[in-house]
Amino acid sequence: KNQVEQSPQSLIILEGKNCTLQCNYTVSPFSNLRWYKQDTGRGPVSLTIMTFSENTKSNGRYTATLDADTKQSSLHITASQLSDSASYICVVSWGGGADGLTFGKGTHLIIQP
Amino acid sequence: DAGVTQSPTHLIKTRGQHVTLRCSPISGHKSVSWYQQVLGQGPQFIFQYYEKEERGRGNFPDRFSARQFPNYSSELNVNALLLGDSALYLCASSLVLGQGAYEQYFGPGTRLTVT
Repeated sequence: KNQVEQSPQSLIILEGKNCTLQCNYTVSPFSNLRWYKQDTGRGPVSLTIMTFSENTKSNGRYTATLDADTKQSSLHITASQLSDSASYICVVSWGGGADGLTFGKGTHLIIQP
Repeated sequence: DAGVTQSPTHLIKTRGQHVTLRCSPISGHKSVSWYQQVLGQGPQFIFQYYEKEERGRGNFPDRFSARQFPNYSSELNVNALLLGDSALYLCASSLVLGQGAYEQYFGPGTRLTVT
């Protein structure tokens, strides 16, 4: 069964600190892995998309890594800001349509001043 | 350019009623997908439409139906509402049907509360 597990479930850090969110998956075959940011009550916004051949991808202060051998990904946030408070969702695709996307439950991140 | 738009923003319905949610994709996008997101969970796939045809269906009962119009906008209909249908309903649009690292853009969602 295709699954995406994210950890931790929730995280609280102080403004300015760095943090790393984890994503483990069992989706097969693998096409690409996405990280989304979702503010409370809003739709997810794409941060990065990585294919099998990509090990790392950055989007400003967000850097995603992918290890396709161990089926693990991480999202590193540098110099956190209050606006980073949100849920971060890992999504893995086997390359089909929207029915080929497996969503994680997300990590709820709170940035405290 | 406008992003994906959804209406209404919020909706309160009673058990047994019917509801229609609407979505307008980004201009030029031909694929629309619907997701249900229960509080604290990731989105669950309901339907995907491409060029007005259903191209994918998730594990949802027949009470859920959808359609896509010639202008590529879409409606999600839910009959005989249950308390468990309370959720954020997300619409996403993309340029293509899929086959790789295509970008999918989500709308702001419709918050449905069933009492």
